[in-house]
Amino acid sequence: DVKVTQSSRYLVKRTGEKVFLECVQDMDHENMFWYRQDPGLGLRLIYFSYDVKMKEKGDIPEGYSVSREKKERFSLILESASTNQTSMYLCASNDRPGLVLNEQFFGPGTRLTVL
Amino acid sequence: KNQVEQSPQSLIILEGKNCTLQCNYTVSPFSNLRWYKQDTGRGPVSLTIMTFSENTKSNGRYTATLDADTKQSSLHITASQLSDSASYICVVITYGNNRLAFGKGNQVVVIP
Repeated sequence: DVKVTQSSRYLVKRTGEKVFLECVQDMDHENMFWYRQDPGLGLRLIYFSYDVKMKEKGDIPEGYSVSREKKERFSLILESASTNQTSMYLCASNDRPGLVLNEQFFGPGTRLTVL
Repeated sequence: KNQVEQSPQSLIILEGKNCTLQCNYTVSPFSNLRWYKQDTGRGPVSLTIMTFSENTKSNGRYTATLDADTKQSSLHITASQLSDSASYICVVITYGNNRLAFGKGNQVVVIP
């Protein structure tokens, strides 16, 4: 079974803090993704990565950065957390396009609250 | 405008009854469509995946249909159980890239 794990289920931070959200997958997947999910808005793509040290902006990258130093690990960084970044953050991974039907496997999510 | 529209937004059904959730999309070119189930506080889990040539796909009590001509899909839940209470998210994948278009979800509550 594919396993995508996220470092924290719940996180509370203060405005201005630097926040790291970690995601690890154990299926040797090429692609990894970070989404945020807000009520009434659905899932929105923040950043994704096709390979180690590669990153691409998604639909809402402002205020975020990412790091992919190892294939299995993809980190989301909030350089200076703000209250409007309070959200559920979901990590996902899948194999390179063309090899499979691109199903993305999601982690359990991190509920981040910024005070 | 969202490229994937789901209806109804929320639904309450009695345990044991059936229900149908709708998904209309405008994404093009179409590659495949998935339905995910997301329990409260959890990440989404895939229920079905359908490509352009598939009209129906079942996973236990869940049956998804796809009409690629009208760009509509439905998810039918048979003999609902309390554990079916969740958000059901329709996701459409565009051919040629790895980007997904997400619907906002159908919130289903099954009551005894």
